[in-house]
Amino acid sequence: GNSVTQMEGPVTLSEEAFLTINCTYTATGYPSLFWYVQYPGEGLQLLLKATKADDKGSNKGFEATYRKETTSFHLEKGSVQVSDSAVYFCALSGRSGNTPLVFGKGTRLSVIA
Amino acid sequence: DVKVTQSSRYLVKRTGEKVFLECVQDMDHENMFWYRQDPGLGLRLIYFSYDVKMKEKGDIPEGYSVSREKKERFSLILESASTNQTSMYLCASSLDRGPGTQYFGPGTRLLVL
Repeated sequence: GNSVTQMEGPVTLSEEAFLTINCTYTATGYPSLFWYVQYPGEGLQLLLKATKADDKGSNKGFEATYRKETTSFHLEKGSVQVSDSAVYFCALSGRSGNTPLVFGKGTRLSVIA
Repeated sequence: DVKVTQSSRYLVKRTGEKVFLECVQDMDHENMFWYRQDPGLGLRLIYFSYDVKMKEKGDIPEGYSVSREKKERFSLILESASTNQTSMYLCASSLDRGPGTQYFGPGTRLLVL
């Protein structure tokens, strides 16, 4: 079945450091890929998504590229801020909106000033 | 903006009680989902629904049931709460078409004593 593996945390970085959170997936067909973010005390918010190979999703300075050849969707940001401290979830779904998301276990990021 | 609301942010119940968790979305979405979130396990799908009065089991349906009498409302029911159901419960909704972007509520943190 479909599955998502993301790097375990917690990850602690200094402000302005470069961030990479690795995510690889196993899926049949051509899934859509997502990064969700959960700020303390809140539900999940969509951060970015990509729906086909070589697509790059981007938002708030974060980027991730859908790499079919390596089945990966790594999240990157060039310069993190304290406000980026949160839990990040990689997820995949089928092509239709009624296909449930399959989530990775989440990576907690703490950014210190 | 899509809004998904959950009836309670925090809930404390006793073992054996019947517990209702309510979720309402205001964007006429066809699909609704219930997840639970536990440290180290990420999000796990409990139940989902494609339409009114329809329901599908997710990965961990045991000990739970659901009700969807109206399109905008999806209820999760713990028939007889147990301590291992202490968790954060997240509701989400999505449109039927397009890649499965889901919109999440703020979550209900349930403690079963």
